[in-house]
Amino acid sequence: DTEVTQTPKHLVMGMTNKKSLKCEQHMGHRAMYWYKQKAKKPPELMFVYSYEKLSINESVPSRFSPECPNSSLLNLHLHALQPEDSALYLCASSPPLGSGNNEQFFGPGTRLTVL
Amino acid sequence: AQSVTQLDSHVSVSEGTPVLLRCNYSSSYSPSLFWYVQHPNKGLQLLLKYTSAATLVKGINGFEAEFKKSETSFHLTKPSAHMSDAAEYFCVVRNYGQNFVFGPGTRLSVLP
Repeated sequence: DTEVTQTPKHLVMGMTNKKSLKCEQHMGHRAMYWYKQKAKKPPELMFVYSYEKLSINESVPSRFSPECPNSSLLNLHLHALQPEDSALYLCASSPPLGSGNNEQFFGPGTRLTVL
Repeated sequence: AQSVTQLDSHVSVSEGTPVLLRCNYSSSYSPSLFWYVQHPNKGLQLLLKYTSAATLVKGINGFEAEFKKSETSFHLTKPSAHMSDAAEYFCVVRNYGQNFVFGPGTRLSVLP
């Protein structure tokens, strides 16, 4: 299995809703990432988990809450979002450092619309 | 600090003509460099990568890139563009650690 899966593909939510995005990989990667991508822009790093521990938080608002319950799964919990949070949310994973294979593998993304 | 510059925000070529997408980077260490392609409303797909082996790297779909340390460049080329190559292309650098730095992207248009 050489892919990263993300669910749902599309999500529409109101500003008072609570929802979660899910990301899964079974490649044995120990680093997992959440990115936010607005139209015509590069992906913007939000969070990095390394060996199931949060290693990078790029000053993301607390209405985004990441969770890494195990080495294969990464969640992003959403609460009280704003319309400007509408974007494509991408998950990625990468092998451990020194493994000789060091690129990121990306999921297809979740298209989020906040009304 | 690492950074990536993609000199052209938009490149337009005719089908069957060569493609050149430019990328320059700054890095304190020997970097790993990547080119990713993103078609509309899709995730990112790895085209090719440089990781300190051969400086001329061949990727998928006929793309290749040459790492030039003296010029801190990693330009992407393809001899003959196809309509399906129309997409957004990102140059990415990774130094030691888990952080990947993206360039701003180049949108490639292919005209019939």
